[in-house]
Amino acid sequence: GEDVEQSLFLSVREGDSSVINCTYTDSSSTYLYWYKQEPGAGLQLLTYIFSNMDMKQDQRLTVLLNKKDKHLSLRIADTQTGDSAIYFCAENGGYQKVTFGTGTKLQVIP
Amino acid sequence: NAGVTQTPKFQVLKTGQSMTLQCAQDMNHEYMSWYRQDPGMGLRLIHYSVGAGITDQGEVPNGYNVSRSTTEDFPLRLLSAAPSQTSVYFCASSPDRVNEQFFGPGTRLTVL
Repeated sequence: GEDVEQSLFLSVREGDSSVINCTYTDSSSTYLYWYKQEPGAGLQLLTYIFSNMDMKQDQRLTVLLNKKDKHLSLRIADTQTGDSAIYFCAENGGYQKVTFGTGTKLQVIP
Repeated sequence: NAGVTQTPKFQVLKTGQSMTLQCAQDMNHEYMSWYRQDPGMGLRLIHYSVGAGITDQGEVPNGYNVSRSTTEDFPLRLLSAAPSQTSVYFCASSPDRVNEQFFGPGTRLTVL
């Protein structure tokens, strides 16, 4: 079946940029998503990118998609302590079957 | 709008007991899903529904039943709880198959 992989942990200093990476296997993915989960809460959509796009920018967030290598990344500029959370990559390969990655825990050091 | 609500927030069961996790949404979304979240494994899809009266299995459906008699409600039933079902359960809804999923706050279930 489809697989989405992420590294489990990332630590950055406040003010630096964070880059969270994700690889996926389903070449038929039409949408790819980044969700954020704060402690004790459900997931909230941060941003998404359509598969025919290479890049999407939204304020401090930049999403890069390399469809050939099936690689997705999320860059957070000027990372703040409020950005500390778990970030999930997800891909939609079909009829409401969204596959989530394992999540990357971002720790921001003041 | 309350969004997606889940009850209970916490539950402890003994092996073999049954229970129903409730999920409701007030956004008139057609699509609803149940996920379980386990450490190091991300979210795994248990069951999903594309509209009232229509449900289908996800990645890990064994031991769980669902029904969708109304657009608003999508309960998840554990027939005979097992320790392997200890997890955090999230319900989500979406207006269609590609747009944002809205998640409930989760139910933390422990099976002893």
